[in-house]
Amino acid sequence: EAEVAQSPRYKITEKSQAVAFWCDPISGHATLYWYRQILGQGPELLVQFQDESVVDDSQLPKDRFSAERLKGVDSTLKIQPAELGDSAMYLCASSSGPAEGQETQYFGPGTRLLVL
Amino acid sequence: EDQVTQSPEALRLQEGESSSLNCSYTVSGLRGLFWYRQDPGKGPEFLFTLYSAGEEKEKERLKATLTKKESFLHITAPKPEDSATYLCARGGSQGNLIFGKGTKLSVKP
Repeated sequence: EAEVAQSPRYKITEKSQAVAFWCDPISGHATLYWYRQILGQGPELLVQFQDESVVDDSQLPKDRFSAERLKGVDSTLKIQPAELGDSAMYLCASSSGPAEGQETQYFGPGTRLLVL
Repeated sequence: EDQVTQSPEALRLQEGESSSLNCSYTVSGLRGLFWYRQDPGKGPEFLFTLYSAGEEKEKERLKATLTKKESFLHITAPKPEDSATYLCARGGSQGNLIFGKGTKLSVKP
């Protein structure tokens, strides 16, 4: 069964350091999403890609966060410098969309980030 | 503003005790209503997508229904392995998902 892959699964870093997360979507899925989930809350969208183009990054803190999907396949999310408030689960999801009826998103296992 | 509200925040059931979880959402520009299950420390697992009022979908002990303003996740004769957080999300205009805070379900044997 096709799955979304993410690495690393866990990351501990000190504040002001740089961190990077990687995501490989389900093969053939054109749309890729990065979400952030704080404990006890639902996931919140950070950035959405359609192939290699950014569709929505309105909630991405661009002073410290960056995301890319250079060849329209896998993607990297970077934080530099990390702050204590960035501690959260970072989730990647993909869908075959964006056409109607193709909105169902499949999530990876997530990367749990702890900033000390 | 797009909103999704789930209730209750937490629900404790005895094994075999059926119940329902509620999800209310803003209607404008809806592109699907989605239910996910999330186990601690893991990513959300897709359960159902609903598009039209009156639509119902079932999977094992779970049944999801949709009205014009709400969706319900009915759990029939739950087992301890059904314990998880259940997330509801509405589809946004660009295919993104807007999630509620979830309902944490505990099923005791």
